[in-house]
Formats: sequence, C-alpha cells, structure tokens
Amino acid sequence: DSGVTQTPKHLITATGQRVTLRCSPRSGDLSVYWYQQSLDQGLQFLIQYYNGEERAKGNILERFSAQQFPDLHSELNLSSLELGDSALYFCASSADGTGLETEAFFGQGTRLTVV
Amino acid sequence: AQKVTQAQTEISVVEKEDVTLDCVYETRDTTYYLFWYKQPPSGELVFLIRRNSFDEQNEISGRYSWNFQKSTSSFNFTITASQVVDSAVYFCALSEAPGAGSYQLTFGKGTKLSVIP
Repeated sequence: DSGVTQTPKHLITATGQRVTLRCSPRSGDLSVYWYQQSLDQGLQFLIQYYNGEERAKGNILERFSAQQFPDLHSELNLSSLELGDSALYFCASSADGTGLETEAFFGQGTRLTVV
Repeated sequence: AQKVTQAQTEISVVEKEDVTLDCVYETRDTTYYLFWYKQPPSGELVFLIRRNSFDEQNEISGRYSWNFQKSTSSFNFTITASQVVDSAVYFCALSEAPGAGSYQLTFGKGTKLSVIP
C-alpha cells in the first residue's frame, strides 16, 4: 500500500459528461501529480500541485482541470468527455515540491471508461 | 526534450531464467533522476528504484539489480532467477533536475515480462 488513495477505482460515463477524480496524498506529502495512462499515449504527466498551487503542467487538455485543497487532497476534473479520454488516471504524491531524495508514490489509479 | 526508450515491448522467459530489461534515455540536463516502476496485472504502479545522475554505482536488491551507464545513457534492469510473480509491465522513467521547479516523470512505453512456470 503506497498510502496514496484514489477514488473511485472505476468510473463509466457517457461522452459529453463531466467527472471528478479524487486523490488523497500520503500523510505529510505536499506535492500531488496526475498522470494519464492510455493505450495510445502510454503514461503521461498531466499536472502537478504543490501545497495548493499549480507547480507544473504537462500534456493536459484544456477540458481537464485540477486543484489541490487546503487539506492537500486533489481533484482532477474532466469535462466534455470523449471516447479517447478512456484511460487509467494515476495520482502520485511526494514529500516536497522538488522531489529531492524523495520518491513519487502512486495510487492504484482510477479507470475511466467513456462510452 | 526528454525521452525514454524501452525497445523490448514483450519478453517471455521460463521461470528461474535471468532476464534484462533495457532502458535508454535522452536528456540535456546534467542532473536528472532515473526510475523503474513495476505494474502488475492489478494495475498499480510500484516503485522499484531511483538513481540520480551523479551516482553510477550499480545497485542490487535481492534478485533485482540495476546497471547505470552514463556513457551509453542506459539504465538496465536485471531480474535473476525470475519467478512467476515477476510477471508484470516494467516502466523506466526519467525526471529532470528538481531545481528546475518541477518533478515530472517521462516514462518509457514499458516492457511486458511474462514468466512461464
């Protein structure tokens, strides 16, 4: 158990809908990262938050957004969903914003299926 | 731009054989971190090792060993005496220097290892 909790584990929704994925980082970790794993693109970094503020952006679509709350949990919002958004979405956390001498521990992922 | 190449898409070995998973990386940074993760059929990503660019010492952990060679930009992973439980997809990943302000992993496409009893 990595200590990173993601909910829900599975999500099935229709095209055009909006969903919210939730992540609770390991206790004490200030950084949260979101990754997408799809058959086409593999594992891709989406976005990082550190202590409530956006730290870095990767290949995140404009239809997607994220935030980190004062209690450090994070949510990834996916809107106007398309079939191609079907993927496994991972959250990871690390102890600080630099990652220096720390690992990024991954949650078990949320499998999103868009039908 | 950073890039990680895992040329082996799938490997099958018979139990107790040794197997090496290759990883070649590209980066312009002089300070960077290399990682290996395991993704078993259950889907989670399990951290195996992190190595920084200044530490070229090889590492051994039980049946696992890693060979880091900056001269060839490679960070290969060897499993000795493979077991069925080693069957998984293995990902190599690269992170730029934390001082750049972010800690984002660039992953290879993964190597699917099947260990046959």
